[in-house]
Amino acid sequence: GENVEQHPSTLSVQEGDSAVIKCTYSDSASNYFPWYKQELGKRPQLIIDIRSNVGEKKDQRIAVTLNKTAKHFSLHITETQPEDSAVYFCAATLIIQGAQKLVFGQGTRLTINP
Amino acid sequence: NAGVTQTPKFQVLKTGQSMTLQCAQDMNHNSMYWYRQDPGMGLRLIYYSASEGTTDKGEVPNGYNVSRLNKREFSLRLESAAPSQTSVYFCASSVVATHGGGNQPQHFGDGTRLSIL
Repeated sequence: GENVEQHPSTLSVQEGDSAVIKCTYSDSASNYFPWYKQELGKRPQLIIDIRSNVGEKKDQRIAVTLNKTAKHFSLHITETQPEDSAVYFCAATLIIQGAQKLVFGQGTRLTINP
Repeated sequence: NAGVTQTPKFQVLKTGQSMTLQCAQDMNHNSMYWYRQDPGMGLRLIYYSASEGTTDKGEVPNGYNVSRLNKREFSLRLESAAPSQTSVYFCASSVVATHGGGNQPQHFGDGTRLSIL
């Protein structure tokens, strides 16, 4: 089955600097890669996603890149702000029997230092 | 438009008790999912339902059962709760297009925090 590895597990950056979180996946059939942000005690919320036919996608300060050959994808946050502090999860997705099978990484706890 | 609604938000059980976690979505999504999240870990899929009338096991199904009551509702049952099932449980739903459109995001509920003593 699919396996997703996420690094680093914790990341601390100064406000205004950039943060990068990396994920690798094992199943080349995975074709959709969402990123979720989870604040303490809250639900995971989608912040950006990328499909396998696209190499890069950007939304304001957030960007995601995908390298299908190497089977890795990354989240880039620029000009970080205190409200970016949260746990971030990557996921790889297969469609099996009409349903999405999301496999999540272990999460990265991002702390933005003022 | 409430999205995905889970009840209850918190529950404490004794070992061996049973209970059902409820989930309902109002987005007309065809697929629904149950995950558990343990401290320091990502979400792990317990069961999923591709469409009304179908359910399948995910990564960690042991000790759980599910019912897709109708298109809106998907419940998770613990028949005999064990301390290892102490966790936060999330329900999610999504549209899965069978012809074009591909994957769409899963939308999550607020979670049920379950403690088993």
